Amino acid sequence: GAVVSQHPSWVICKSGTSVKIECRSLDFQATTMFWYRQFPKQSLMLMATSNEGSKATYEQGVEKDKFLINHASLTLSTLTVTSAHPEDSSFYICSARPGTDYEQYFGPGTRLTVT
Amino acid sequence: KQEVTQIPAALSVPEGENLVLNCSFTDSAIYNLQWFRQDPGKGLTSLLLIQSSQREQTSGRLNASLDKSSGRSTLYIAASQPGDSATYLCAVSYNFNKFYFGSGTKLNVKP
Repeated sequence: GAVVSQHPSWVICKSGTSVKIECRSLDFQATTMFWYRQFPKQSLMLMATSNEGSKATYEQGVEKDKFLINHASLTLSTLTVTSAHPEDSSFYICSARPGTDYEQYFGPGTRLTVT
Repeated sequence: KQEVTQIPAALSVPEGENLVLNCSFTDSAIYNLQWFRQDPGKGLTSLLLIQSSQREQTSGRLNASLDKSSGRSTLYIAASQPGDSATYLCAVSYNFNKFYFGSGTKLNVKP
């Protein structure tokens, strides 16, 4: 149980284009989902927290107009990187938390490369 | 500012050895602490979750302890195996929502 999937697992896009990453909780309803970014040889940094049906809460320094987060249902959250640049290349990981549990369950991550 | 530090950054041990990974945090008013494993290029696998009211959790060959007063947690791995090779991350939560991650300990267990 408690499986979180991400799609795609890796994506290459050209500078200036937008790319959407999906995060799904497969066997539970996630009232809260989190998006993290991990640069090479660094730890995870929280980008934003999203609650179903509400606007996402972004961490300081994260551009909300560049990283669009939508949590339209209890099993799906999407992260759209708009007008991507090479410096946005990173490993993006989502996590989801069931409403009645304290533990976060993490997805397998999406490797984004912007050329 | 909440900071999470993990020592050592890397560790190489022969198979069968018992080992301890360390995690320290600056603010002791934590909500819970979680240990994760991350394989190269992969997501995170939760190993153990310790609530603030608990002092330790065990799962198989893994034992995690929590000492809030000193701002420390340890992950003990017994009888290490090559399959244990991975990066181990410690994450601390203060307000039920946000986790602060350490930079990890990269473990290599040599056959």
